[in-house]
Parts: sequence; C-alpha cells; structure tokens
Amino acid sequence: GAGVSQSPSNKVTEKGKDVELRCDPISGHTALYWYRQRLGQGLEFLIYFQGNSAPDKSGLPSDRFSAERTGESVSTLTIQRTQQEDSAVYLCASSYTAGVGGELFFGEGSRLTVL
Amino acid sequence: GENVEQHPSTLSVQEGDSAVIKCTYSDSASNYFPWYKQELGKGPQLIIDIRSNVGEKKDQRIAVTLNKTAKHFSLHITETQPEDSAVYFCAATPYSSASKIIFGSGTRLSIRP
Repeated sequence: GAGVSQSPSNKVTEKGKDVELRCDPISGHTALYWYRQRLGQGLEFLIYFQGNSAPDKSGLPSDRFSAERTGESVSTLTIQRTQQEDSAVYLCASSYTAGVGGELFFGEGSRLTVL
Repeated sequence: GENVEQHPSTLSVQEGDSAVIKCTYSDSASNYFPWYKQELGKGPQLIIDIRSNVGEKKDQRIAVTLNKTAKHFSLHITETQPEDSAVYFCAATPYSSASKIIFGSGTRLSIRP
C-alpha cells in the first residue's frame, strides 16, 4: 500500500485478555517504531526496530508488552493480561532511513479500550 | 535522557493571525528537531524540521527557529487558516540515538473564524 497500515483500527477488550496489534510499514522502510498516545497526551516511545539489529525495547512499560518484527516487514505489538491503563491509541511509524533526520510516516493508529 | 517540554498546551487564534508554539529540550547533543501535525483521527505528519547547524527555516506560511544556546525552538504559523486547526508536536533527536525521537506533549491549535 501507499502508507503505513495498522489493524485493527479499534479494539475493545476485557481486562485480563491478551491483544495483538498489527503494523504493515511502507515497503522498503528499514526502521519501525511503536508509540502509545493516551487521550489528550503526547507520544510515548515504546519500541524501535532497525533492520535485523536488536530492537530498542527501552520504552516498553512492563513485561506484559512485547513486539516482534521479521526483517523489514510486518510488526506485531502484543499486550498480555490487559489493564485499564493500557487504554490508548497505539501508533506505528516507519522510516526509510535509520539515521537521525529520517521522516517518520505514521499509520492512523489502533485504538484500544480495556473495559 | 532527553526531555522535551512544549507550550502552550492549547492555543486559540483568530483566522489570519499568527500562532507561535515553543519547545525546550534538555540534551545538548540533540541535533534534529522535527515538527509534526496531527489531524483528528489520523497519525502525525511531518510539516517542517530543522537541524542544529541552522538557525531558521521557512516553508510558505510555516517557519521554525532554533536557539541552541538556550536549547529552545519554536514553530511560527502566519496568516492562519481553518485547516491549520490540529495538534502540533515538537520533537528532538539526540545524535547518538536515532531511535530516541522524543516528542513534546502537544499543542492543540484552534483557528477561530
């Protein structure tokens, strides 16, 4: 596709259930980021993938959060045993360059609501 | 690590007037400062950026200024139009880590007709 694609666009789940969010980056983009955006707040860095290098997981808030990416393709963000404070929009972005100054192209996000 | 503070959190201006959003950063090693615009229900989109070797950059009605000594940078929008209504985020990237693009908390800009 022409842009970053995320699915599902909306997800409502019950507390304690696991959820999986998917991101399809722009073809050829080597870098991929996940951010969390709580209602009315800024972008909170979660994790960064660059090619086949070890990901930067320093932003993951707890061990309930994990993410995978195979090569330069699709990435999945998994949240286990969801809590109400996990409710947020999860944004994925990809970038053509790994270096400083690469433009981030964002998807429209996956809105997660934990009841 | 880097910390980016952004002000104001909300801003309302009359159509045709100018809007200014200010950000400060903490890491003197940061050398790239992008600005992103987020429209309702969409992901943020890059609108302008500036590198630390430049003091000012302009693109039509949008300009960004950088003061490295004071560690602050600002977004200026002139002749505001209704389509400028959105949330604006500043960001800073330390030279040492391309993964650490640290965003400010955002400014919700409203343009009054």
